[in-house]
Amino acid sequence: QKEVEQNSGPLSVPEGAIASLNCTYSDRGSQSFFWYRQYSGKSPELIMFIYSNGDKEDGRFTAQLNKASQYVSLLIRDSQPSDSATYLCAVSKGNNRLAFGKGNQVVVIP
Amino acid sequence: NAGVTQTPKFQVLKTGQSMTLQCAQDMNHNSMYWYRQDPGMGLRLIYYSASEGTTDKGEVPNGYNVSRLNKREFSLRLESAAPSQTSVYFCASSVGGRTFFGPGTRLTVL
Repeated sequence: QKEVEQNSGPLSVPEGAIASLNCTYSDRGSQSFFWYRQYSGKSPELIMFIYSNGDKEDGRFTAQLNKASQYVSLLIRDSQPSDSATYLCAVSKGNNRLAFGKGNQVVVIP
Repeated sequence: NAGVTQTPKFQVLKTGQSMTLQCAQDMNHNSMYWYRQDPGMGLRLIYYSASEGTTDKGEVPNGYNVSRLNKREFSLRLESAAPSQTSVYFCASSVGGRTFFGPGTRLTVL
């Protein structure tokens, strides 16, 4: 079982709709969870982090964590064409090392 | 405040050649990392340095060496490049659980 799994294929959403991304992790002891956005040809950029069960909102982004079910999700409300990117889920492993999922591509259609 | 900088941006090597990828950060972070990113594989940790004077292997260290020259600089060396090392290499630094990435080096080994 991979440490961090993002299984969904490319996600196409109309402009203004909600994009929903999911991620599962294998280490039940994991404490810190992150979402990075990566535009094509660019480096990953941290957009959300969450440490506690429940929801965390920042602008149009909401991260959700359920430690009992070992999943993390990211919602993007009112999706914009500028949100078109690959979204990487990451889990902290200690010494601030990160284990990454393979990423989900999001395409926002105007 | 430049954040994390990397040189070079692009490099083409022949099999067996050596090279060093340079990385520097001006955020006074203790921890620094080298990741590689390959299509379909996500980001994988090569080596990391939790603090000045220490280095440790990550997930895929074979074929690489690192040097933490001082608190700012962390270099990655390929002693004898192989085509399997064709990848995009990202240097990163972290503080408080949040990791910041450099712009990346796109390396091709022929």
